[in-house]
Amino acid sequence: DTAVSQTPKYLVTQMGNDKSIKCEQNLGHDTMYWYKQDSKKFLKIMFSYNNKELIINETVPNRFSPKSPDKAHLNLHINSLELGDSAVYFCASSQDWQTQSGYTFGSGTRLTVV
Amino acid sequence: AQSVSQHNHHVILSEAASLELGCNYSYGGTVNLFWYVQYPGQHLQLLLKYFSGDPLVKGIKGFEAEFIKSKFSFNLRKPSVQWSDTAEYFCAVTPSSASKIIFGSGTRLSIRP
Repeated sequence: DTAVSQTPKYLVTQMGNDKSIKCEQNLGHDTMYWYKQDSKKFLKIMFSYNNKELIINETVPNRFSPKSPDKAHLNLHINSLELGDSAVYFCASSQDWQTQSGYTFGSGTRLTVV
Repeated sequence: AQSVSQHNHHVILSEAASLELGCNYSYGGTVNLFWYVQYPGQHLQLLLKYFSGDPLVKGIKGFEAEFIKSKFSFNLRKPSVQWSDTAEYFCAVTPSSASKIIFGSGTRLSIRP
């Protein structure tokens, strides 16, 4: 059983489209995250939810909208995709919002905008 | 703002060589420290973590890291690397009261067989 699973693994789409990435964790963790990894491998946090509540919202264009229907799921919807959105998006979870246990990461979604 | 610096962007070693990857952070208070590894095409996995206690932390696959508070450093070491250690290594830090982990820019490790 995969602890943190993301779908899809690969996503190729045209500029201007709207797309969603889904994430689910079966670890019973309270907190989930979205990170963006750019072409230089730099990881930057985008959002974090603790028990369905938004607790971190970094400087991210409002074309990106996270949704957490329950604490086991955190989806990311992106409107009007741009070339600069091409990256690998990682979902992660931690036992609690204080991150002391570290994160468990999903396998990533490679988004390519053409 | 808190930050994490990994000064080595790409390290190339031969098998059996010793490894030390540098990591410095900027935060004056109590921190939790992590090293993650990302093998080619895979997700990040936790190598080791430091919260408190013995500043020398042992992790998986023979890796260890030493927390030196006075130097704001948390360097990763391995006495003898293998070809399978080829990966990207990320240092990360979180202030104890914070709700997010801040990652360094990563160090790519290439091992020559």
